[in-house]
Parts: sequence; structure tokens; C-alpha cells
Amino acid sequence: DAGVTQSPTHLIKTRGQQVTLRCSPKSGHDTVSWYQQALGQGPQFIFQYYEEEERQRGNFPDRFSGHQFPNYSSELNVNALLLGDSALYLCASSSLRTGSNQPQHFGDGTRLSIL
Amino acid sequence: AQRVTQPEKLLSVFKGAPVELKCNYSYSGSPELFWYVQYSRQRLQLLLRHISRESIKGFTADLNKGETSFHLKKPFAQEEDSAMYYCALSNTGFQKLVFGTGTRLLVSP
Repeated sequence: DAGVTQSPTHLIKTRGQQVTLRCSPKSGHDTVSWYQQALGQGPQFIFQYYEEEERQRGNFPDRFSGHQFPNYSSELNVNALLLGDSALYLCASSSLRTGSNQPQHFGDGTRLSIL
Repeated sequence: AQRVTQPEKLLSVFKGAPVELKCNYSYSGSPELFWYVQYSRQRLQLLLRHISRESIKGFTADLNKGETSFHLKKPFAQEEDSAMYYCALSNTGFQKLVFGTGTRLLVSP
């Protein structure tokens, strides 16, 4: 099991563009959470998806949106990119179906650079 | 407001020395507390959680609700413990993790 996989690993965009990041959860997991990690900071929660619905959302503008597919994979979309969106975007998966206290497993992240 | 504070950006010790990485939190309710670790060129991974009350790789952490702390301890540090350590809390049942800014542990021979 490869665990949580994210693509692409690196991405360079310019201000105002739009970006889509992808995540496949660990086998057996049904819940995907997205985090933004700026340089020198801890990860910050963006939102969580379960049963194809946004279950919880952090303090991020609605330029950040997501989607979960029937196979539990997920996308993170960011519109109208700003320089401040440059960060490592982490995906984490878990299984809510087996209990809400299951730990989250993280992927390697996508490094997004905005020029 | 939910907040996790890790006051030390860098902790440098010699091999065999005791280690304590500090973590304080603010949360109204009963949070779950975690320590995540990131070794060089590896992904973020769970080290331990307070509800498990277990020792992983010689590390332990005790939840002190009075002091709202969850410090990570190891009696004898090893070079392979060098890594970035993040303390995190979550609201029970909802899984949103709130992370601290992390402490880099450097264990020298």
C-alpha cells in the first residue's frame, strides 16, 4: 500500500491563475483532509471531505474549494492565485466509518510556487 | 480559540541526553492531543497520541489538563531522533487538526 498519494509533487503558477491538486487516500480510508503549510509554519487545516461532502472548513477564503469523488479521491482547487498561496499543500486521509478517533495519514504534499 | 504553542524552534542536545519538547494548548473542551514527526525527506507521520498512553521509540507524552500541556519526553536521545516534531490537537469526532509551529530536534554525536 503506497499510502496517501498526491500529485503533482511540484507546481509553478503565476498570480491570478487557477490550480488543481489531487489526492488519493490510503487504501481503506474514506475521508480526506487538506492542509496548507507555509514555510516555517505548521500545517493549517483547509477543509475535510467525507461521503463527497465538505464536512468541516478552516479559516480559508472561498477561492479554496474541493471535491471528493465516489472512489474517495479528492481535489483541491484554488482560484485567483495570490503570492501568499505559495506553500506545501498536504493531504491526509483517515476512516471515519471505522470511528471518529482514527488517526490521519499524510501524503508527501504538493509544493506550489506562485510567481 | 484553539491554539497549540511550541515555544522552541530548535532544540539541540547530545546523544544520550534527556529530551523534552514543550507543547501547550488552549481549547475549550476535551481535545485529543498528538505528536507528529517528520524525519528528513519523509512524510509527516503520527508518533503518539494521548489516548493511547503508550511509548513509541522511547518517547512518552503526558497530558496535563491543569497546565494545558502535552510535553514530549525521552530519557536518552539518539541521533536518529533528529527530526521536526509537531504537536497537534483535534476536536473529538471532527478530526480537524490544529498544529503548532514545530520544534526541530537536533541530536549530535
